[in-house]
Amino acid sequence: NAGVTQTPKFRVLKTGQSMTLLCAQDMNHEYMYWYRQDPGMGLRLIHYSVGEGTTAKGEVPDGYNVSRLKKQNFLLGLESAAPSQTSVYFCASSLGQSGYTFGSGTRLTVV
Amino acid sequence: EDKVVQSPLSLVVHEGDTVTLNCSYEVTNFRSLLWYKQEKKAPTFLFMLTSSGIEKKSGRLSSILDKKELFSILNITATQTGDSAVYLCAVLYGGATNKLIFGTGTLLAVQP
Repeated sequence: NAGVTQTPKFRVLKTGQSMTLLCAQDMNHEYMYWYRQDPGMGLRLIHYSVGEGTTAKGEVPDGYNVSRLKKQNFLLGLESAAPSQTSVYFCASSLGQSGYTFGSGTRLTVV
Repeated sequence: EDKVVQSPLSLVVHEGDTVTLNCSYEVTNFRSLLWYKQEKKAPTFLFMLTSSGIEKKSGRLSSILDKKELFSILNITATQTGDSAVYLCAVLYGGATNKLIFGTGTLLAVQP
């Protein structure tokens, strides 16, 4: 049972490039989330999904898009990366009424 | 604006000491408060607290919630170097969305 798997683990992008971060969970969880973690800022919610085919904006959605075409996958896209998007990105999933299970994170650097 | 505030921001102790980490919150539609431990990678779940005054305990760690005063504490007794980590407090809120709002964390360093 892998839990929540994020790929890639590390990535360096040039300003203006695009990329997609993949999150996959095998626990049949309805809820999935993307957070970013920056020094001194804690984890901040980017986008989330309450079920297959649904997505919603979180606290810091600008510059990101998401899709949840299959229940087990939640994709985070950066269309035109900016240095301000340098961060550690965490995906999480939840059954609801409970805490989250987190992936191991993706460290993204935009130069 | 909803917020979760943790104190202290960082703490250095020696092995064997007892530490208390604090978390206060102002969150509408509060449902539960959670504590996580983060060592380099993903946060790992410690406790979920929903009711006031009921202590949750796991080994040397314990936590309690006060819903009247809107705070929680996390205690660690007989600290070990393996307790060194960032401890995150988060509040589960909202109806169907099941969202978590996090504090900035307390960085605990336990010296031998």
